[in-house]
Amino acid sequence: KAGVTQTPRYLIKTRGQQVTLSCSPISGHRSVSWYQQTPGQGLQFLFEYFSETQRNKGNFPGRFSGRQFSNSRSEMNVSTLELGDSALYLCASSIRQGGGNTEAFFGQGTRLTVV
Amino acid sequence: AQSVTQLDSQVPVFEEAPVELRCNYSSSVSVYLFWYVQYPNQGLQLLLKYLSGSTLVKGINGFEAEFNKSQTSFHLRKPSVHISDTAEYFCAVSGLGGSQGNLIFGKGTKLSVKP
Repeated sequence: KAGVTQTPRYLIKTRGQQVTLSCSPISGHRSVSWYQQTPGQGLQFLFEYFSETQRNKGNFPGRFSGRQFSNSRSEMNVSTLELGDSALYLCASSIRQGGGNTEAFFGQGTRLTVV
Repeated sequence: AQSVTQLDSQVPVFEEAPVELRCNYSSSVSVYLFWYVQYPNQGLQLLLKYLSGSTLVKGINGFEAEFNKSQTSFHLRKPSVHISDTAEYFCAVSGLGGSQGNLIFGKGTKLSVKP
């Protein structure tokens, strides 16, 4: 079974630009969550999508957005990039049975550098 | 709301010695508990999880953890570490509620195994 696939692995963007990151979950998983990892703030939850609907959102500005397609693949978009957006962005997929998240599988991440 | 505290940011240990990585959590609701490992430039890999039942949980690579509800702790242990265990370890919680599928992570503990 293929794991969670994130593309691209590395990105370099200029301040003010926008960027789109992609995540393909494990087959059969309908929940996709996004996390930002930085040395200073650690791992922070961005948002979760389940069945094409945003179910949960972290405390990030509106420049961060996402969507999920009917095949469960997800994209996240960051507009008007700032230097502080430089981070490893991780995607996690899960079956999301019932209310809780019983197990999340992570991709290798996209390393975004804003210059 | 939940929070996770990993009491040690760095733990140096010699090869074949035992190790304990400490994790405390705070939550007003029941939670699921997880330990993840991250190797350099990689995503997160699940080591073990506590959902319910026995408070002693065994995971991959010889790791185990014990859930202590009264002390709100979920410490990770390994009786004998290897050089290959050098990595960063994250404790995480997830609420059981429908809108709480996201993981809340601790700041991480860097385990450094020396020969």
